[in-house]
This record gives sequence, structure tokens and C-alpha cells, in this order.
Amino acid sequence: GAVVSQHPSRVICKSGTSVKIECRSLDFQATTMFWYRQFPKQSLMLMATSNEGSKATYEQGVEKDKFLINHASLTLSTLTVTSAHPEDSSFYICSAIGQNTGELFFGEGSRLTVL
Amino acid sequence: GENVEQHPSTLSVQEGDSAVIKCTYSDSASNYFPWYKQELGKRPQLIIDIRSNVGEKKDQRIAVTLNKTAKHFSLHITETQPEDSAVYFCAASQSNTGNQFYFGTGTSLTVIP
Repeated sequence: GAVVSQHPSRVICKSGTSVKIECRSLDFQATTMFWYRQFPKQSLMLMATSNEGSKATYEQGVEKDKFLINHASLTLSTLTVTSAHPEDSSFYICSAIGQNTGELFFGEGSRLTVL
Repeated sequence: GENVEQHPSTLSVQEGDSAVIKCTYSDSASNYFPWYKQELGKRPQLIIDIRSNVGEKKDQRIAVTLNKTAKHFSLHITETQPEDSAVYFCAASQSNTGNQFYFGTGTSLTVIP
């Protein structure tokens, strides 16, 4: 199956700093990637749809100025958590749809801890 | 938009017994229904999927059934093993490229040895 790689897997930062998470499709081109947030023992909450070459589409209630998404190429989308606060601590997962099958493949996830 | 509901939220079974997880969806345009298994701290992994032109699909101990009329689909795991313990998510999507996937709330399955 298609491979989606996410980096970093864990990050700890101080409150007020910004953190960038990268999501790469390693063996296929992804015009669309999705960013999810997952709280402990809860489901995947879609934050935004990242579209190559255009602005991301954010879900209701997600602050686009806080969660900056850039999809500059067909294999890379980045999520930047700006001015992070402890309540932003969470597990962030990206995903992309395989070109031929329509299956959704996930990155490894990034656990963000804001002190 | 699509709304996916999943039940139960937790499920405990004895090793060797069967486990069934059920999901319903609201949008009749959805035509692709994958199931994911997520172990603690790891990414969700696709375990089986079904498309709307099929009523049932089986892969060894795992099977999925789909009732389009009633808009519900179910995951069946037979002869459960401790390594089946995980959180399972159902999802619904329109399988055109770029369409969103809508996830159920998850079922935490525990298989008791």
C-alpha cells in the first residue's frame, strides 16, 4: 500500500512557541491530504483538508490562523501550530488518499506536548 | 454532511469468541466503508473495506457486511485473539479522489485471554 510518513513523532515545546509537523507521501502523489487531531481514547477529529497549490479547507471551529497548513508540493503538507498553548497538546495525524484505490493511508502521528 | 455513528464504544470478549461492531451512516451518496484498527499511540491501519456494490466481504477472521437500504455496516471478528485488542474505527466516504472520510467514534475492544 501507499506510504505516508509524518515527522516528528514526538515534540515538546514551550508555551508561546510554534511547532511544524511534516506529512509526506513517499511513493505516490497526493493532491489532497487531511489533518486530524485525536484526544486520548477519542476518535479522529478532522481539522482541515490540505489541497496542493491552494488554501486549506478548515473544519468549523478550527482556527486557521493558529493551525497553519501549507501544501506546497504533491508529496508534502505541513501543519504549523502557532503560539502553542498547553491545550494544544494532542496527537496530530495526517493522511492521504492513495491514487488508484481511494484508500486512506495515515502517517505515524505526532504527539505534541506544550509545557 | 455525513454522520457516522458507531456502537458499542467498549467491548470485552473472551478469547475465541466473536466480536461485532456496528456503524450507521446518513448520506446515501457514501459508497466506500473502511475499517481501521488503531493500537495505542500508533497510526490507524486499514484492516478491511467494502464498497457499496458488495454486501459482504471476508478476509480470514475478519468480515464486513453492508446494508445499503438501512445504511449500516458491521465488522465481524471471529476466533478473537488477545492481539485483536485495540480501538476500531469505521468510516464512510464517497470514493472519488479528494472526498473526505467521516469516522465513527471508535470501539475499544478487549480480548480477555
